[in-house]
Parts: sequence; structure tokens; C-alpha cells
Amino acid sequence: QVQLQESGPGLVKPSETLSLTCTVSGGSISNYYWSWLRQPPGKGLEWLGYVYYTGSTKYNPSLKSQITMSADTSKNQVSLKLSSVTAADTAIYYCARFTFTYGFDPFDVWGQGTMVAVSS
Amino acid sequence: DIVLTQSPDYLAVSLGERATINCKSSQSVFYRTNNKNYLAWYQQRPRQPPKLLISWASIRQSGVPDRFSGSGSGTNFSLTISSLQAEDVAVYFCQQYDNIPFTFGPGTKVDIK
Repeated sequence: QVQLQESGPGLVKPSETLSLTCTVSGGSISNYYWSWLRQPPGKGLEWLGYVYYTGSTKYNPSLKSQITMSADTSKNQVSLKLSSVTAADTAIYYCARFTFTYGFDPFDVWGQGTMVAVSS
Repeated sequence: DIVLTQSPDYLAVSLGERATINCKSSQSVFYRTNNKNYLAWYQQRPRQPPKLLISWASIRQSGVPDRFSGSGSGTNFSLTISSLQAEDVAVYFCQQYDNIPFTFGPGTKVDIK
């Protein structure tokens, strides 16, 4: 079955760029949409955006100026870059898969998440 | 953005008893063209990622016990656990996937009384 594994630095300095990778195993990234979401410790879930395997993207308008997502079919990975981070960006970051049938579908596969702290 | 609210924030239920969580949307997520509600429910156990339980407001995912059921339409939805088990202790979130940005409710924590 398909599995997602997020990876990247656990600590990022304020004003720097947070970079994470989601590696997909047990299946291809092709023909799927891939989202990044985050969850500050003890809080709720925020959708950051999605990237389709072709590279097309859609971002949460609240983060549009900060965020970049990409897909690499040769590595079976998707990635997230979040620039100019502050302490408010401290969270568990998840990648998740969804499809498009009658319109968008919910997130049916999630990674385990990776904790990223923003601190000097 | 579509805002989802959930009630209650916290729910403690005896083992074997019923638990009901409500989710209200700031606008309808129902489409007449395909008769579907774009509303999902997730379970998040401690230190785990969310797990999709129910899609389209009432369709259980494969492998989800039938004690979990979803109902509602338009702007008002419910998730019911008909007979609470110890492994159901978790936070439950609703999510709309009708409009971008996709949004989640704040969550309801379910515990054993």
C-alpha cells in the first residue's frame, strides 16, 4: 500500500526558508494530487496547498506569497518550501494524497508528519 | 473561506455508549448536480496523523468499523459513534473539500467517562 514519508530539518531559523520533502513509496505520484498541511502542537489543521503530479499548484491565499510546491516524478517525491518563516510556522507538517472524481476528494492517505520548529 | 465549527469541544462517554459530534458549515457544501455533500470526517489518535473515516458526509471508508456513521446535508452534519470503544479515544475533525482553501473544523476530543 502507498506510504508517505516527510523529511527535512527539524529546526529552522526565523526569516529563513523551510524545505520539506515527501517521498511516496508503494505507488506512483502520477495521476494524484498532493497536499501539504500543518498542525501547530495541540491545535487544528491548516491546509497549505496542493501540487498535481504535472506540477500545477494551488495555494492557500493566506500563504500565497511565502509558499512553493513542486513534484518530481523521477524521484516520486513532492516538496514544500515556505519562505520568511516565523515562530508562527512552528508545526507538524503533513503531506497527504487526494484525487479528483466528482470534484476534489478528501485526503485518503497521510504521512506520519514531521515536526518543524522555528527558533533562533 | 468556508468556516467549520464543531460542537462540543470535548465529549466524555462511557464505554459502549453513543457519542455524537456536530459540524456546522458557514455555507452549503451540497451540490444538487451530483447530490453530494463535500464533507469528510477524520479521526486523529494521539501522536498519529489524521485518518479518513467518512467521505461525502456519510460514506465510510473501507475498514472503518460500522459503529461510525455520518449524516447531514447542506450546512449541518454529525458523526456518531454508536458504541464507544477504548480505541476510539481521539480528536475528530470535519473537513470541507468543496471550496479552496480546504478547511477543517477545530476538532472534538472524545474521551472515556
